[in-house]
Amino acid sequence: EAGVVQSPRYKIIEKKQPVAFWCNPISGHNTLYWYLQNLGQGPELLIRYENEEAVDDSQLPKDRFSAERLKGVDSTLKIQPAELGDSAVYLCASSPGMTSGGYDTQYFGPGTRLTVL
Amino acid sequence: SQQGEEDPQALSIQEGENATMNCSYKTSINNLQWYRQNSGRGLVHLILIRSNEREKHSGRLRVTLDTSKKSSSLLITASRAADTASYFCATDRGADGLTFGKGTHLIIQP
Repeated sequence: EAGVVQSPRYKIIEKKQPVAFWCNPISGHNTLYWYLQNLGQGPELLIRYENEEAVDDSQLPKDRFSAERLKGVDSTLKIQPAELGDSAVYLCASSPGMTSGGYDTQYFGPGTRLTVL
Repeated sequence: SQQGEEDPQALSIQEGENATMNCSYKTSINNLQWYRQNSGRGLVHLILIRSNEREKHSGRLRVTLDTSKKSSSLLITASRAADTASYFCATDRGADGLTFGKGTHLIIQP
């Protein structure tokens, strides 16, 4: 079974430039997450999708970040314009959905390491 | 904000020894999950323990959960060099989703 696919793996841009990250979740997984991970920290949730609906985007800086999940499968996360402080690893994860006992296991992609110069 | 807090932040042991990491959290949870992250890679799910469970095993992993103390521990027995990684606990608080701690960086010395 293919895992969560992310591209690109690495991206270097100058500040004020736009950047986009792409994620293809595991087939059949309804829930998709975008996380931001700074060096030495744990992942922090940016947005969560249930199918094509964004159900939790409270941590997404909406002035410069946007995301979409058309058709409830692939997702794109965009930053425009990028700032120096956006340098981090952007992780995508997917899960089958909620269980009776809460959030199910999440499967993570390898991440995109963004460097803003 | 990060609810889970792992302890210690870093741990270095000899191959073959056992490694214990702890996680403390602040509010009630539905379940708690442990993940491993090798350098430069995504996180890999290790084990999930529900709030009504006290102990769970998976291979060389043993996880305990004490909801009265709001803490969990992850024990790796007979450590191997390949266990070198960062380990994160993640708490499920329902509507707030999974919240990850800062992690414990484990180094297994050959």
